Amino acid sequence: TQLLEQSPQFLSIQEGENLTVYCNSSSVFSSLQWYRQEPGEGPVLLVTVVTGGEVKKLKRLTFQFGDARKDSSLHITAAQPGDTGLYLCAGEGGSNYKLTFGKGTLLTVNP
Amino acid sequence: SAVISQKPSRDICQRGTSLTIQCQVDSQVTMMFWYRQQPGQSLTLIATANQGSEATYESGFVIDKFPISRPNLTFSTLTVSNMSPEDSSIYLCSDTTGSGYTFGSGTRLTVV
Repeated sequence: TQLLEQSPQFLSIQEGENLTVYCNSSSVFSSLQWYRQEPGEGPVLLVTVVTGGEVKKLKRLTFQFGDARKDSSLHITAAQPGDTGLYLCAGEGGSNYKLTFGKGTLLTVNP
Repeated sequence: SAVISQKPSRDICQRGTSLTIQCQVDSQVTMMFWYRQQPGQSLTLIATANQGSEATYESGFVIDKFPISRPNLTFSTLTVSNMSPEDSSIYLCSDTTGSGYTFGSGTRLTVV
């Protein structure tokens, strides 16, 4: 069974601060995805990383996939209240397209 | 990416009854998935639904409790049967086209 350890589980910060969310596993994933979910909505895909060592930027969000494709991080620069939400990492590891989700990080950015 | 319409968005049900949740996709997709999520927490996969074959259930989930239909490549239903308060949760469907996953907006179920 593939497991993804995501940390921290809760994060409350002030507007303008930086933060990093981590996702770690002992398993290798063919890709790793990051989602953001708001209350009453389903998760929305932010990015997919596929290649070991890959770095992708989405405005103030930077995503990194570890060289061994077992871990990933999400860094947010100068967080804004609109960044508030549940951030989920998910790994895809097999031919059956099933996703393994981390436990999620509930981020609150206070104005 | 595909757009999924999920309904109902929420419901309050009596224990012992059943609720069927529907997901309609705006394009044909091979694989659809059903998840359960406690508010503010992560997603747990219930089953994978493929058109033309029986759904594949994850450990801890059985067909008698969560029967799934997949009559065509754009539609699927999940039934939560003989409900108890422990079934209160958010249920989500998802699909993949191989280049990404799309989720429905979820069904918030409360069993009283």
